Amino acid sequence: KQEVTQIPAALSVPEGENLVLNCSFTDSAIYNLQWFRQDPGKGLTSLLLIQSSQREQTSGRLNASLDKSSGRSTLYIAASQPGDSATYLCAVSEKKSSGDKLTFGTGTRLAVRP
Amino acid sequence: KAGVTQTPRYLIKTRGQQVTLSCSPISGHRSVSWYQQTPGQGLQFLFEYFSETQRNKGNFPGRFSGRQFSNSRSEMNVSTLELGDSALYLCASSFGQGKGYTFGSGTRLTVV
Repeated sequence: KQEVTQIPAALSVPEGENLVLNCSFTDSAIYNLQWFRQDPGKGLTSLLLIQSSQREQTSGRLNASLDKSSGRSTLYIAASQPGDSATYLCAVSEKKSSGDKLTFGTGTRLAVRP
Repeated sequence: KAGVTQTPRYLIKTRGQQVTLSCSPISGHRSVSWYQQTPGQGLQFLFEYFSETQRNKGNFPGRFSGRQFSNSRSEMNVSTLELGDSALYLCASSFGQGKGYTFGSGTRLTVV
């Protein structure tokens, strides 16, 4: 059974810092890994999608890497801003005999202090 | 282009009642999945539909059911509501297997 773990569970940093969020998964039979952002009481906003054959993806100040063999991914946020405050979730898309599903980590709650 | 639309946004129901939630996927997306989010259990997979067929189902009791229509819109139904069903229910759509998901804003269900 796929298990996804995110470390740390919570993080508080001053504005301007660069930071790294970690995600690990137990089964490497995945199609891809997706990073999401969730604001309180809201739905999920997709940040980055990394296919299993890729090593990294970048979007603006965000960079995500994937090491499928070791079951790890990191989300790097450069020059953090108060607007980055949210919960960040990683999810893996598992290869199944039929259908598709995402298995989520428990998230990292980020607070960026002005 | 329009995103994933979920209706209603909020619902308050009484124990024992049933509820139906609706999800309209992004145009062209044929896969629709449902997830339950609670503070204690996090995000848990309910089921996935593709071309009106349920392809995958999570570990939820039979009170939770769903369906998908020919236009890819999906509904999920929860019968005999329990207090523990209070949660944010999220719908996600995708072009297909391994293509990445787009989520809706969710339906907040409160059972009293």
